[in-house]
Amino acid sequence: QQQVKQSPQSLIVQKGGISIINCAYENTAFDYFPWYQQFPGKGPALLIAIRPDVSEKKEGRFTISFNKSAKQFSLHIMDSQPGDSATYFCAASRNNNDMRFGAGTRLTVKP
Amino acid sequence: DTGVSQDPRHKITKRGQNVTFRCDPISEHNRLYWYRQTLGQGPEFLTYFQNEAQLEKSRLLSDRFSAERPKGSFSTLEIQRTEQGDSAMYLCASNEQFFGPGTRLTVL
Repeated sequence: QQQVKQSPQSLIVQKGGISIINCAYENTAFDYFPWYQQFPGKGPALLIAIRPDVSEKKEGRFTISFNKSAKQFSLHIMDSQPGDSATYFCAASRNNNDMRFGAGTRLTVKP
Repeated sequence: DTGVSQDPRHKITKRGQNVTFRCDPISEHNRLYWYRQTLGQGPEFLTYFQNEAQLEKSRLLSDRFSAERPKGSFSTLEIQRTEQGDSAMYLCASNEQFFGPGTRLTVL
């Protein structure tokens, strides 16, 4: 069963724009919410992660916004660059076990 | 390069054959995870080791699948009597943050 729902499926953004990807989860026991970036032929790479005790975390151009009551979290990529073009996955886990991934968002940043 | 290696990178086999994949995690990491990823989907959790102990197995891991981590270092994932539905990318992760490049399995 899909416990993490991700949208949109694909996203096209102009260079310099903001990319926003959303995820919703069902299991309130989840306590770790990472975002991964995956390029074709490579494994996912951890971008940024958040725990439910904070509502926002920023690392460089990447920000996670977390809404515990709505059971939603989102990734914002500021000043999007063509090199950001990749597939992004949100995920959620409990006690570092059984990580559940969203279906992915294919981001294309146009020059 | 995350420091997690997987071997082989690609495997083509005929239906009914057995295959074995190897994962070498980052040496000081004690948690090791196996995932399966099909085209256009996110990775699906298969199993998890803490050192040499297999602590959790997904329902996706049928009786044909077995994983080991005998000395708490490298791990192997074996699929017996492969089926076409087993075709996927098999990913290994070290401490849930560092993924290897994956082994792409094609079952003909």
